Amino acid sequence: DTEVTQTPKHLVMGMTNKKSLKCEQHMGHRAMYWYKQKAKKPPELMFVYSYEKLSINESVPSRFSPECPNSSLLNLHLHALQPEDSALYLCASSQGPRDYSGANVLTFGAGSRLTVL
Amino acid sequence: AQSVAQPEDQVNVAEGNPLTVKCTYSVSGNPYLFWYVQYPNRGLQFLLKYITGDNLVKGSYGFEAEFNKSQTSFHLKKPSALVSDSALYFCAVRAPTGTASKLTFGTGTRLQVTL
Repeated sequence: DTEVTQTPKHLVMGMTNKKSLKCEQHMGHRAMYWYKQKAKKPPELMFVYSYEKLSINESVPSRFSPECPNSSLLNLHLHALQPEDSALYLCASSQGPRDYSGANVLTFGAGSRLTVL
Repeated sequence: AQSVAQPEDQVNVAEGNPLTVKCTYSVSGNPYLFWYVQYPNRGLQFLLKYITGDNLVKGSYGFEAEFNKSQTSFHLKKPSALVSDSALYFCAVRAPTGTASKLTFGTGTRLQVTL
């Protein structure tokens, strides 16, 4: 299995809703990432987990809450989002104990397209 | 701070012609360089990377890239373009230092291949 699977593919939520995005990989990768991508823009790193521990938080607002329950799963919990948070949210994974995003290649999921009304 | 520049928002090429998508970078030390491709409503797919060694790197789908240290460039090339190559291409760079350094993406170049 060489894929990163993200669910749901599409999500529409109101500003008071609580929802979650899910990401799963079975490649034995020990680093997992959340990226946010606005239309026609490059992906922006949000969070990095290594060995199920949060190692990078790119000053993301607290209305985004990541969780890594085990080495194969990564969640992004969403609460009280704003319309400007509407974007494609990409999950990625890579090998490596220390070199989270160095020579190791990132494998991306297809993304979850989020619309906040 | 590291950065990547992709000077062209869009590159247009006829099918069968060679293509080049430009990328220049700025980073401390020797860079790790990558090209990713993104098709509509999809995640990014890895094409190729340069870490060390031969300056000409070959990747997926017939793409290759040439690392030029003096010009700090890593242009993506293909000898003969296909309509199916039409997509958004991202160059990315990382400095090989530290344990938590980040991949920095360029702004992307849209490749349009026409018949």
